[in-house]
Amino acid sequence: EVQLLESGGGLVQPGGSLRLSCAASGFTFSGYAMSWVRQAPGKGLEWVSGISGSGGSIYYADSVKGRFTISRDNSKNTLYLQMNSLKAEDTAVYYCAKGVVTLDKLDHWGQGTLVTVSS
Amino acid sequence: EIVLTQSPDFQSVTPKEKVTITCRASQTIGSSLHWYQQKPDQSPKLLIKDASQSVSGVPSRFSGSGSGTDFTLTINSLEAEDAAAYYCHQSSSFPVTFGGGTKVEIK
Repeated sequence: EVQLLESGGGLVQPGGSLRLSCAASGFTFSGYAMSWVRQAPGKGLEWVSGISGSGGSIYYADSVKGRFTISRDNSKNTLYLQMNSLKAEDTAVYYCAKGVVTLDKLDHWGQGTLVTVSS
Repeated sequence: EIVLTQSPDFQSVTPKEKVTITCRASQTIGSSLHWYQQKPDQSPKLLIKDASQSVSGVPSRFSGSGSGTDFTLTINSLEAEDAAAYYCHQSSSFPVTFGGGTKVEIK
């Protein structure tokens, strides 16, 4: 059974940093692309970033480019999102999601981790 | 960026009714359109892939159609458990985008 478990969310001040993790199990992690998708309170879904199975291809939404860095450690079956220079508008539940390739449907999602950016 | 416009934003429906949600893309995306269901306080769940392909474990009352720029999600004979928000998603090109969502309420 595919399982994705996010962690690392919390309260951070504007301008601060946070690193999210997503522990994967139940599939061959290195063989699949992964994405981060966020959802602001009461709002819709917004794609944040995607990474190929090897980590060689990486993509970002314009809203986070230059501030967020996606990475993965295939030896640990873990996906990361390093978030720097956080803004109030980054406040959201962050989901990790699994695809097959980087441009693909997202067939499994984690339960999400809440990031709150506030002073 | 490809913009996905969903309609309606909200729909209140009685059980056993048929529900139709549309998603229009700002440029052609072939069949790279997927639908998700998100129940309150849950993560999204893939409902329909590649515009019209069924997903294992999803009830057969859910179906999708369309290609190019116009897509439809249909729920035949709505059940109480179908109360949720529904989102379309395009994977034709980066940046990946989602529609604004359609909330379905049960009367």
